[in-house]
Amino acid sequence: NAGVTQTPKFRVLKTGQSMTLLCAQDMNHEYMYWYRQDPGMGLRLIHYSVGEGTTAKGEVPDGYNVSRLKKQNFLLGLESAAPSQTSVYFCASSHNRGHLLYEQYFGPGTRLTVT
Amino acid sequence: SQKIEQNSEALNIQEGKTATLTCNYTNYSPAYLQWYRQDPGRGPVFLLLIRENEKEKRKERLKVTFDTTLKQSLFHITASQPADSATYLCALRYNTDKLIFGTGTRLQVFP
Repeated sequence: NAGVTQTPKFRVLKTGQSMTLLCAQDMNHEYMYWYRQDPGMGLRLIHYSVGEGTTAKGEVPDGYNVSRLKKQNFLLGLESAAPSQTSVYFCASSHNRGHLLYEQYFGPGTRLTVT
Repeated sequence: SQKIEQNSEALNIQEGKTATLTCNYTNYSPAYLQWYRQDPGRGPVFLLLIRENEKEKRKERLKVTFDTTLKQSLFHITASQPADSATYLCALRYNTDKLIFGTGTRLQVFP
């Protein structure tokens, strides 16, 4: 099993450009998450999904959109990139049975620089 | 809003000693708490989970405690090794679908 994979690994964008980050998991997890990690700020949740076709906002959703058309994939879009979106982006997934939320499995991250 | 505090200063200890990392939170207690390890340039990796009705959990050289009175969790690594050097994150889950992560504490174990 590959676990959680993310593409691309690195990307440099100019201000105003758009891009999509792809996350894929092969563990049949119901829940998927997108985080950003900045120095001194820890992991902050951008958007998440509790199942195919559903999405919800996290702590810092502005400037991002997501889609979960298939259970195994979770896409994060930046419509008009800004320098403030320079960060490392992590995708994660987890099982959820009843009210138990299991541990999260993280991808390797995407390092995005917006100039 | 809920806040999580982890010591932002790096913890430096000698090989063989016990490392103790602290996670403090404000307001009400979470349903459970998780600890993750993160190496430079990589995603976090899950280590341990402890529920609000558990006081202690162990896994090999790792031990986690959860004190809902002090609003604190302690993460211990006994007989520490240089390979234990990493950043350790605590994460709290309340009655939602989300985890709230602390900023992490960097541990450096020197020979």
